[in-house]
Amino acid sequence: ETGVTQTPRHLVMGMTNKKSLKCEQHLGHNAMYWYKQSAKKPLELMFVYSLEERVENNSVPSRFSPECPNSSHLFLHLHTLQPEDSALYLCASSQDPQTYTQYFGPGTRLTVL
Amino acid sequence: GNSVTQMEGPVTLSEEAFLTINCTYTATGYPSLFWYVQYPGEGLQLLLKATKADDKGSNKGFEATYRKETTSFHLEKGSVQVSDSAVYFCALSDSNSGGYQKVTFGTGTKLQVIP
Repeated sequence: ETGVTQTPRHLVMGMTNKKSLKCEQHLGHNAMYWYKQSAKKPLELMFVYSLEERVENNSVPSRFSPECPNSSHLFLHLHTLQPEDSALYLCASSQDPQTYTQYFGPGTRLTVL
Repeated sequence: GNSVTQMEGPVTLSEEAFLTINCTYTATGYPSLFWYVQYPGEGLQLLLKATKADDKGSNKGFEATYRKETTSFHLEKGSVQVSDSAVYFCALSDSNSGGYQKVTFGTGTKLQVIP
């Protein structure tokens, strides 16, 4: 595997379910990001991790819970979501948080029923 | 705060036509500017970038020039191909007090090229 991978690619869940999104980067980077992409809206930065430490939590509801166990892996734990949370969730990485070039994964298409 | 405004799509062009996608920005500092491309079913890929005024970024026949006086970074290509069909995002990056490069994206412009 190369670049940034995300699993699953598609996820359908009910509002009471608990699920997790996984991201893995194979680039040796030290910073990782979660973005939310909704139709006709700019990408919204959700979380930033630098060397497994969270450096940004962009006013994201607590029903989204990130986890970064090491510099190659990033998770987004989901629980009690709302239908308006349906979106494409993109993971990205960069060499370090001060490097502006980010490399994106293909995303997880989430549908909340 | 920073913001990016780009033309709404979709933009539909015939193959070999000239492409322009407009992008303007608002920023308090001296940002770097980018164009990202998203092909169907894939994540965003960096297409080109420019880090200071009057710089021209170019890649795969696409070009954009950093115009500080008009706060613009319009994307152009002289002759589009069907394979260029994708969504194009204009973005800017600026360091912030959190110690990381905060990237602000536009809403994206969908380009469809027909044979």
